[in-house]
Amino acid sequence: SYVLTQSPSVSVAPGQTARITCGGNNIGTKSVHWYQQKPGQAPVLVVHDDSARPSGIPERFSGSNSGNTATLTISRVEAGDEADYYCQVWDTSSDHPVVFGGGAKLTVL
Amino acid sequence: QVQLQESGPGLVKPSETLSLTCNVSGGSISGYDWTWIRQPPGKGLESIAHISYIGSTNYSPSLRSRVAISLDRTKYQLSLKLSSVTAADTAVYYCARLEYGHYSLDYWGQGTLVTVSS
Repeated sequence: SYVLTQSPSVSVAPGQTARITCGGNNIGTKSVHWYQQKPGQAPVLVVHDDSARPSGIPERFSGSNSGNTATLTISRVEAGDEADYYCQVWDTSSDHPVVFGGGAKLTVL
Repeated sequence: QVQLQESGPGLVKPSETLSLTCNVSGGSISGYDWTWIRQPPGKGLESIAHISYIGSTNYSPSLRSRVAISLDRTKYQLSLKLSSVTAADTAVYYCARLEYGHYSLDYWGQGTLVTVSS
């Protein structure tokens, strides 16, 4: 089955740029989606189809995807961005097509 | 605005069957794929069951022998059954809708905590 690999933690100072990566074999050929999850809350879709933002998501959130790595970039990081972030793809070759990465904890210093 | 609301018992005894429902409101239940996701305390997200808009199903390989997902279009309900539960099945369970096309999870329920304990 398809495996998505995320570094478990990312730390950044307020106002700086955070980059959260998601690795997978030829992930650049798939559509990657990103979710933000704050403690005690359900995940929220922040980027879909590699780089598109749902309505209501700030422009500070952007994404890219190429080769074996997809990246969620958060510019001008704020304290309220501290959360867990998960990448996800749809993989029809897997037994179960909804595949999540292990998640990355973003800490705002 | 589409809203999803999970419901079910918060406590299930070991070896029993966990049954959850997800009520869908504010939008159509037909024409979309749906999925159940779970999250053990302090851990990541795990998709455990998926049902397509035509009713075909997929399950996590580790749970396939114990899990079933179904859709009742007349009641606007998604259901999950997980049999022979153990403490390892303790988790927050979410239902979610899959966006047609590239299959992002665009709407989620708020989640319901299920604890397996005697």
